[in-house]
Amino acid sequence: GAGVSQSPRYKVAKRGQDVALRCDPISGHVSLFWYQQALGQGPEFLTYFQNEAQLDKSGLPSDRFFAERPEGSVSTLKIQRTQQEDSAVYLCASSPRGEQPQHFGDGTRLSIL
Amino acid sequence: AQSVTQPDIHITVSEGASLELRCNYSYGATPYLFWYVQSPGQGLQLLLKYFSGDTLVQGIKGFEAEFKRSQSSFNLRKPSVHWSDAAEYFCAVVVRGSGYALNFGKGTSLLVTP
Repeated sequence: GAGVSQSPRYKVAKRGQDVALRCDPISGHVSLFWYQQALGQGPEFLTYFQNEAQLDKSGLPSDRFFAERPEGSVSTLKIQRTQQEDSAVYLCASSPRGEQPQHFGDGTRLSIL
Repeated sequence: AQSVTQPDIHITVSEGASLELRCNYSYGATPYLFWYVQSPGQGLQLLLKYFSGDTLVQGIKGFEAEFKRSQSSFNLRKPSVHWSDAAEYFCAVVVRGSGYALNFGKGTSLLVTP
């Protein structure tokens, strides 16, 4: 596709459930990023991939958060045993390579009940 | 502490008036600098970026920004605001040599009145 695609756009889950969020980056983009945006706040970095290698996961808030990009294209962010504080918009971004400007998807709005 | 500060949480301007959104950063070296815009329910769209060179940067939609090293600032400007400019604006930096993650300010919400 022409842009970064994220699915689902909205996800409602009960506390304790596991969720998986998908990101399709722009074709050919080497770098892929995940961010978490709480209501009324700026996005905060979660993790970064270069191709299939996860080079930085310093922003993941706990070991309940896990991300993968096994073939260097599509990425999945998984949250296990969700908690209410996980409610946020999760944004995915990609760039041709690390230092180039990032292109963002429309995000997945996650609500934990 | 390293940070990106957007002092104005909300700004209201009349359509056709000029606009300036402030951004200050606190990092040891000059980072890469960006402005993004976010409309409700949408992702972030890049308005402009500064890596090096000319300190006055032109972007899309008639926006420009000026990098001032002495003030550690990267303010966004537009000479005449349109109603469609109403959105959330984020200043962001990438710290050189420390990976490629964007560090965002908290954002400024722009309201445009008729």
